[in-house]
Amino acid sequence: DVKVTQSSRYLVKRTGEKVFLECVQDMDHENMFWYRQDPGLGLRLIYFSYDVKMKEKGDIPEGYSVSREKKERFSLILESASTNQTSMYLCASTHLTGLDEQYFGPGTRLTVT
Amino acid sequence: QKEVEQNSGPLSVPEGAIASLNCTYSDRGSQSFFWYRQYSGKSPELIMSIYSNGDKEDGRFTAQLNKASQYVSLLIRDSQPSDSATYLCAPRSSNTGKLIFGQGTTLQVKP
Repeated sequence: DVKVTQSSRYLVKRTGEKVFLECVQDMDHENMFWYRQDPGLGLRLIYFSYDVKMKEKGDIPEGYSVSREKKERFSLILESASTNQTSMYLCASTHLTGLDEQYFGPGTRLTVT
Repeated sequence: QKEVEQNSGPLSVPEGAIASLNCTYSDRGSQSFFWYRQYSGKSPELIMSIYSNGDKEDGRFTAQLNKASQYVSLLIRDSQPSDSATYLCAPRSSNTGKLIFGQGTTLQVKP
């Protein structure tokens, strides 16, 4: 059974704090993704990684960075959290081939106060 | 033109009816298409994938693909209140290989 897990379901942080969101997959997938989802804006890609230590910016990378030191783990970092980063954060993973399905983790609802 | 277009709804159907969810996409080279179901406050759950023109059935769900018309749809037969959710259409980009998500259609199944 496929599994993508995220470190927290709910998180409350203060403005200016450094925030780490972690994602782990057990499917030996090469590709991993971080999205955020906001009402009316849909799913937006923040960053993705196609291999260990490899990363590429998505559509909205500003204010975020990522780390992928091991194949199964992909971390999203908010260097200095701001209130406009309050959102649902979703991690996903898939194999490299174009036909493979993409699976999401349960999501982390982050509130920055 | 948006890359992926879905009617936001809400689409309201009575219990037991067929719900028809539609999606058009702009990338003529897309070869794989996915439907996700998302309950309020939860993450998207993959329910169907389709790669060839025609129909693909899985239980009460049927995905239909017409690449010439750049159209993909999801039919839900014998709709249940538990089917009430937002359904996201996601073709895979032929250029980047990444999924391009529509805004989703909200389905309400009334008992």
